[in-house]
Formats: sequence, structure tokens, C-alpha cells
Amino acid sequence: GQQLNQSPQSMFIQEGEDVSMNCTSSSIFNTWLWYKQDPGEGPVLLIALYKAGELTSNGRLTAQFGITRKDSFLNISASIPSDVGIYFCAAQRDSGGGADGLTFGKGTHLIIQP
Amino acid sequence: DGGITQSPKYLFRKEGQNVTLSCEQNLNHDAMYWYRQDPGQGLRLIYYSQIVNDFQKGDIAEGYSVSREKKESFPLTVTSAQKNPTAFYLCASSTTVDTGELFFGEGSRLTVL
Repeated sequence: GQQLNQSPQSMFIQEGEDVSMNCTSSSIFNTWLWYKQDPGEGPVLLIALYKAGELTSNGRLTAQFGITRKDSFLNISASIPSDVGIYFCAAQRDSGGGADGLTFGKGTHLIIQP
Repeated sequence: DGGITQSPKYLFRKEGQNVTLSCEQNLNHDAMYWYRQDPGQGLRLIYYSQIVNDFQKGDIAEGYSVSREKKESFPLTVTSAQKNPTAFYLCASSTTVDTGELFFGEGSRLTVL
């Protein structure tokens, strides 16, 4: 199946710093999504993007659907301790792709140093 | 409150035993899924169901079985045929199988002793 290359694998930052992570693929996707997983919990959807070039914000989070439809990035501004967790990108081929058309990246582990 | 509930949260089993993980949702969603998560890995799809009495294999279905007798329930059985069952298992649901907007449960951590 398609693979999503998510980077960085982990990030060690200071509280208050901005964060940027991205997801790339050699395949074209029609939907990009970003999820966050707190330790020991299930992932929660942060942002869904449905149009190439789309830029969407959710509070301090901003995500973009790449114009080539092969990538997406997520930015977090002014990080706070509760931002700690694993961030997953996910992408879907098309609306009729079914569940096996949804692919997840391996995650970016965000750690905030005191 | 609407949501998706997995149980148990933690489970230990001996090699050679089957174990069943429960997943219940009251969101009135048609589609339900089971994913497996291993450290440093993404989420890998085990099985999914588009509608009651129907389910499809995902990428890593070998050694697992499911049933979908009720819309609300999608239990996963980890059989003794699964060679490396120790993992974090996540159940999810969505309005239909065509959306990537999934609602996840809190997960079940299975450890084989």
C-alpha cells in the first residue's frame, strides 16, 4: 500500500517554541488529516483537509494540504505542556477508497523540555 | 455522552490462549475499525466493517477474527495463531467507511506472557 513519510520522528522543544512537522508521499491523495494521541489514549482528530492548497487553522494549530496533493504540514505555535503527544498524519486516496484507502504515517513524538 | 468504549484497558494472556477485546459505540456510526499500534509504528488496519453483518480484512488480518452482529458492537478476537500479539489495539468508528474522520476508543493494551 501507499506509504506516508512523516518527519521528524521526534522533537524536543522548549515551552513557547513553535513546532513544524510534515508528511510526504510519492502518491497523490485527496484528503489529508492530522491526529494527536495523548499517552495511553486513542488518537483524536485535529484537522481535516479536503482541497489542494487548503490552509486550515484550529486554535494554535495550522495545517496545509500541499498543492501537489502529495504532502501536508502541521504547525503548532507557542507550544504548551499539553501539546505533548504523538502527532499522526493520515491520507485517503478518494471518497470511494474505503477503509483500506486510509493510510497513517508513523507519527511525530513531541516532547517539551522544562 | 456519545462515544466509543473499549474494554478491558489492560489484558494479560498466556501463549496459546484466545482473547476477545470489546468495542462498543453509541454514535450511530455505520463503520467500525480495528487498528494495531506498535512502538514507533503507525496504525495498521486489522479489520473493518462497513455495516452490520459485513466485515473486510485489512492489512494484517492473519491471526485475528471479528464479528458485527449489532451496529453498536465490533469485538476483536486475538487467536493463538497470531504470532506476535503483544500490542496496543485501537477501535474506531466513523459515519461511513468513505471518510477519514475517525473517532477512536481509548485502546486496549494486550500483553502475552
